[in-house]
Amino acid sequence: AQTVTQSQPEMSVQEAETVTLSCTYDTSESDYYLFWYKQPPSRQMILVIRQEAYKQQNATENRFSVNFQKAAKSFSLKISDSQLGDAAMYFCAYRRYSGGGADGLTFGKGTHLIIQP
Amino acid sequence: EAQVTQNPRYLITVTGKKLTVTCSQNMNHEYMSWYRQDPGLGLRQIYYSMNVEVTDKGDVPEGYKVSRKEKRNFPLILESPSPNQTSLYFCASSLLGQGESEQYFGPGTRLTVT
Repeated sequence: AQTVTQSQPEMSVQEAETVTLSCTYDTSESDYYLFWYKQPPSRQMILVIRQEAYKQQNATENRFSVNFQKAAKSFSLKISDSQLGDAAMYFCAYRRYSGGGADGLTFGKGTHLIIQP
Repeated sequence: EAQVTQNPRYLITVTGKKLTVTCSQNMNHEYMSWYRQDPGLGLRQIYYSMNVEVTDKGDVPEGYKVSRKEKRNFPLILESPSPNQTSLYFCASSLLGQGESEQYFGPGTRLTVT
């Protein structure tokens, strides 16, 4: 079974600075997807960024970027120019794909990100 | 507007009283899934469905039932709720197929069983 590990239960960063959230995963598959989800106090699950395992190029979405190291099974999220609205719980997630079907998401336990004004 | 809806959003019930949480999506997605979220544990999959009349267990299926009679709906049934099922529940849906990886989440249902 796949596992996803987020080793930082909580992180704190000053507004406008850069922060990196860590995620490692364990899988024997070669074809899969990785995601970062944001969960603000509203509890809504919001997709921040996703990465296809077959793509070597790291995904970026505005101030959010990932460092995907497939051999090391590492998938960290970098948030640049942190803003107060970035404060939330962040979940790393893995999804296996196998032709015609798909598994659900396997989540890490989350990292609570605090933005200091 | 493309969305996943869940009802009710909040529910307080007593042990043993059967309940159903509804989930509906308007995106014609084949894949639907239920997760529960507990503090310190992240989200864990309860059941999933890859199409009408096709359902399967996830990681924590004990105490839950599901059905998929229509493509858009995927209700979660607790036949005899217990306090350890107090949790935040999310329904999610997605397309199937290579590259169709993103799951869309409903707003969540906060369930308390006393």
